[in-house]
Amino acid sequence: SQQGEEDPQALSIQEGENATMNCSYKTSINNLQWYRQNSGRGLVHLILIRSNEREKHSGRLRVTLDTSKKSSSLLITASRAADTASYFCATGLTGGGNKLTFGTGTQLKVEL
Amino acid sequence: DAGVIQSPRHEVTEMGQEVTLRCKPISGHDYLFWYRQTMMRGLELLIYFNNNVPIDDSGMPEDRFSAKMPNASFSTLKIQPSEPRDSAVYFCASSFMGGEGNTIYFGEGSWLTVV
Repeated sequence: SQQGEEDPQALSIQEGENATMNCSYKTSINNLQWYRQNSGRGLVHLILIRSNEREKHSGRLRVTLDTSKKSSSLLITASRAADTASYFCATGLTGGGNKLTFGTGTQLKVEL
Repeated sequence: DAGVIQSPRHEVTEMGQEVTLRCKPISGHDYLFWYRQTMMRGLELLIYFNNNVPIDDSGMPEDRFSAKMPNASFSTLKIQPSEPRDSAVYFCASSFMGGEGNTIYFGEGSWLTVV
């Protein structure tokens, strides 16, 4: 089964609005990462947050991590139509070497 | 760097045929991963290598699947014989231990259709 489960499965917003996606996981992690996948393309790394960090920013992206709740959120501020894509969380597990386990993804659609 | 390069990008084959997917990882990366993506099962890790050695192949669905990495710049994923349920997008990815965590860099995928 997937280590990470994203919520919601699909999200549709208007350009300029903020988009929030959540990820829950089950076991101890070294880090949690978010990836983006445009239709028909490979996944692209967005941001990594380590297990001892609580919040991280990168441009319009803000990621939070709550290890006590085994959850993370990705916030995209001031969304643009070009942000339309699927977003996946991925967890690097304690003792898991360099392996990442991906969640089920959130499909984000940003409409003009 | 050109990124992870996969070939073919698209393949349509008949059931029972052998399929070989190829991957060239990013130069200097010491980990290579093969993932499979379907609507039903999402993104599944099939196998990964470290320094050309298979580390975990527990995700390989069955004996019809095999993967090799003869050198640091090339890997193959072979399906023999192929079945319609193997239709999926197969991603190769690579990473470098010691980089930013274990960030993985994906290729554009090989879209396989078995009819």
